[in-house]
Amino acid sequence: SQELEQSPQSLIVQEGKNLTINCTSSKTLYGLYWYKQKYGEGLIFLMMLQKGGEEKSHEKITAKLDEKKQQSSLHITASQPSHAGIYLCGADRAGTASKLTFGTGTRLQVTL
Amino acid sequence: DVKVTQSSRYLVKRTGEKVFLECVQDMDHENMFWYRQDPGLGLRLIYFSYDVKMKEKGDIPEGYSVSREKKERFSLILESASTNQTSMYLCASSGRTGGVTEAFFGQGTRLTVV
Repeated sequence: SQELEQSPQSLIVQEGKNLTINCTSSKTLYGLYWYKQKYGEGLIFLMMLQKGGEEKSHEKITAKLDEKKQQSSLHITASQPSHAGIYLCGADRAGTASKLTFGTGTRLQVTL
Repeated sequence: DVKVTQSSRYLVKRTGEKVFLECVQDMDHENMFWYRQDPGLGLRLIYFSYDVKMKEKGDIPEGYSVSREKKERFSLILESASTNQTSMYLCASSGRTGGVTEAFFGQGTRLTVV
């Protein structure tokens, strides 16, 4: 089965600092989803990447998928307390978003 | 605004009870899923459905069943709840919109079995 490794497992950054979260797959990805989760709540869709080398941005969050489609990074610029939460990457195993495998998540805390 | 809605945010049930978790999506998505999320284990796929009345087992189907009688609704059933089924349950749906594949989640149901 496809394994997804996220790093780091947790991260504490000062407000205003930049940060990067990585997601690495043991197999080529058909698609890679990034979600954010507040404690005790559902997952909020951030971005989906499908093509090698693809990069997408939403507000201060940028996600990239490498050319080999086995690694993705999520970069937050000038972090804010509202960015705090758990970030999860999900891999599309079948190319149809019918079976998503998730990493164990990265817990982000933003200090004042 | 796209929406996946789970019927309950919190549930407390007794061991041995039959439990129904309901999920409704309004995006006309073909695929629907049920995951459970546990500390240290991440999200694990229980069942998914790719069409009405069609279902497939995920990674941890034991102790669960599902029902999809209508495209927009996907139910997770715990035939006889046990304490090890205490967890956060997340429903999701996915489909292609405008040539892009999307997958959205509900707000989650935190189930406690006592």
